[in-house]
Amino acid sequence: DTAVSQTPKYLVTQMGNDKSIKCEQNLGHDTMYWYKQDSKKFLKIMFSYNNKELIINETVPNRFSPKSPDKAHLNLHINSLELGDSAVYFCASSQEATGGYTFGSGTRLTVV
Amino acid sequence: GENVEQHPSTLSVQEGDSAVIKCTYSDSASNYFPWYKQELGKRPQLIIDIRSNVGEKKDQRIAVTLNKTAKHFSLHITETQPEDSAVYFCAARGSNYQLIWGAGTKLIIKP
Repeated sequence: DTAVSQTPKYLVTQMGNDKSIKCEQNLGHDTMYWYKQDSKKFLKIMFSYNNKELIINETVPNRFSPKSPDKAHLNLHINSLELGDSAVYFCASSQEATGGYTFGSGTRLTVV
Repeated sequence: GENVEQHPSTLSVQEGDSAVIKCTYSDSASNYFPWYKQELGKRPQLIIDIRSNVGEKKDQRIAVTLNKTAKHFSLHITETQPEDSAVYFCAARGSNYQLIWGAGTKLIIKP
């Protein structure tokens, strides 16, 4: 069973489109995250969310919005896609008390 | 703000030699320090972690050391093998439970 699964694995889309990436975890973790990893490999936190609060990295454009229908899911919606949004997006989850993160397999987004 | 510095950015070692990657952190309240390995095209995976009440932890060929006074922690890989080639990330958990990440080290094992 996959602990953190995200779909799709690859996403190619045109500038200006709106797209969503889905993420689900079956670990019972209380916190979920979205990260962006660009070509330089740096892991940039975009959002973290648990049932208490949503923490947004202030540098993330408001075209990006997380949506959590329940504790096991945190989807990422992106409006008006731009070329600079091309990257690999990772979902992750953790249990606040223990700290270790489990990552999904990533979604490679290419905006053309 | 809180930050984690990681050095070197690229490390090339001969197969069989040891590799050491170093990180420093700024938040003195940090109490959890994981290391992640990311192979090409794959997800980051936790390989070892250490908590602030321990100075050293080993798991076969990998070890992590922590110096809380100096706010340094390091990853040591002995007897390196080709499959150790990857990008390694250190991180420190701050007082708000968020992980602050280093910029990564690309480890190259030369045959």
